Amino acid sequence: EVQLVESGGGLVQPGGSLRLSCAASGFTFSSYAMHWVRQAPGKGLEFVSAINYNGDSTYYANSVKGRFTISRDNSKNTLYLQMGSLRPEDTAVYYCAREAYDISGSCDYWGQGTLVTVSS
Amino acid sequence: DIQMTQSPSSLSASVGDRVTITCRASQDITSYLNWYQQKPGKAPKLLIYTASSLQSGVPSRFSGSESGTDFTLTISSLQPEDFATYYCQQSYNIPRTFGQGTKVEIK
Repeated sequence: EVQLVESGGGLVQPGGSLRLSCAASGFTFSSYAMHWVRQAPGKGLEFVSAINYNGDSTYYANSVKGRFTISRDNSKNTLYLQMGSLRPEDTAVYYCAREAYDISGSCDYWGQGTLVTVSS
Repeated sequence: DIQMTQSPSSLSASVGDRVTITCRASQDITSYLNWYQQKPGKAPKLLIYTASSLQSGVPSRFSGSESGTDFTLTISSLQPEDFATYYCQQSYNIPRTFGQGTKVEIK
């Protein structure tokens, strides 16, 4: 069974940092691209970042470029999102998601999400 | 970035109704359009990928179609478990962009 479990969320002050983790199991993690998607309270879904299967290629939304860094450790089956210079507008539930192995580019499995709150 | 415009933003319907949700892309995305369902407090769930392919395990009352840059999600006979918010997403390029969502409520 495919499982994605996020952790690392919490309350952080503006300007602070946080590292999110996503532990993957039930599939060959090193074969799949992975995404981070967020959802602010009461709002829609927003792409944050993506990384290819081996970590050589990374992609970011303009809203987080230069502040967030996506990475992965295929030996630990874990995806990360290092978040820095956090702003109140970064407050959201952060989901990790697996990109489907076909060419669709869709996200076929999602974690349950971890809440990040940026507030003083 | 490719803009995805979804309509309506909400709708009220009864069990058994046929429901249609539309998503328009700001440029050609060929068939790289996906649909997700999200229930309150839960993660999104993939329903349809590449415009019209049904994800494994998803009931056949869900279907997708396309016409140029216009895409449609249809629920042929709404069931109680279908009351949720639906999002389209383009996967033609990065950044992946989502529509603003359509909340399907009980009439």
